[in-house]
Amino acid sequence: NAGVTQTPKFRILKIGQSMTLQCTQDMNHNYMYWYRQDPGMGLKLIYYSVGAGITDKGEVPNGYNVSRSTTEDFPLRLELAAPSQTSVYFCASSYSHRETQYFGPGTRLLVL
Amino acid sequence: GDSVTQMEGPVTLSEEAFLTINCTYTATGYPSLFWYVQYPGEGLQLLLKATKADDKGSNKGFEATYRKETTSFHLEKGSVQVSDSAVYFCALSEAGANSKLTFGKGITLSVRP
Repeated sequence: NAGVTQTPKFRILKIGQSMTLQCTQDMNHNYMYWYRQDPGMGLKLIYYSVGAGITDKGEVPNGYNVSRSTTEDFPLRLELAAPSQTSVYFCASSYSHRETQYFGPGTRLLVL
Repeated sequence: GDSVTQMEGPVTLSEEAFLTINCTYTATGYPSLFWYVQYPGEGLQLLLKATKADDKGSNKGFEATYRKETTSFHLEKGSVQVSDSAVYFCALSEAGANSKLTFGKGITLSVRP
């Protein structure tokens, strides 16, 4: 079991560029999440999904989009990168909303 | 809304010292409570959890007891090791359908030999 995998590990973007952060899990979990982690601020939920075809906004969704076409994949899209999106992004999955979340290793994004 | 408050950090201890990291929460219902740990350069991983009042979660020598009367879930370890150096996050999840994890800000623990 690979668990939750994320790509890339690190990326530098210029302001206004777009990119997709990839997330895949092999645990057949229904629930998947995207968080951003900023220094001293804990984790903030960006988007989440309770199953294929179903997504919903979290606490800080502005500037991001997601899709969930399969159980395994939950990509996060940045359309017009801004310096405020410089952060570390974590994908996570769980069997249900009350169960343990399993996190990927993170993607460090720098927007200049 | 729900919130989790952790003590301010960072915390630096000598090896074999006793550790307490405070966590208090605000929730409308009966949440599940979690401690997650993040080792340098890695994602978060579950350390322990408790799902109802008076439950004690334990793992790797760490313990935390769900105290409903004081709305607390303090993390303790009797003798820390250098390998325990990490960032520790307290979190809660409400009982309602599709509720999400609410995290505290995290606290950095450094253990020196």
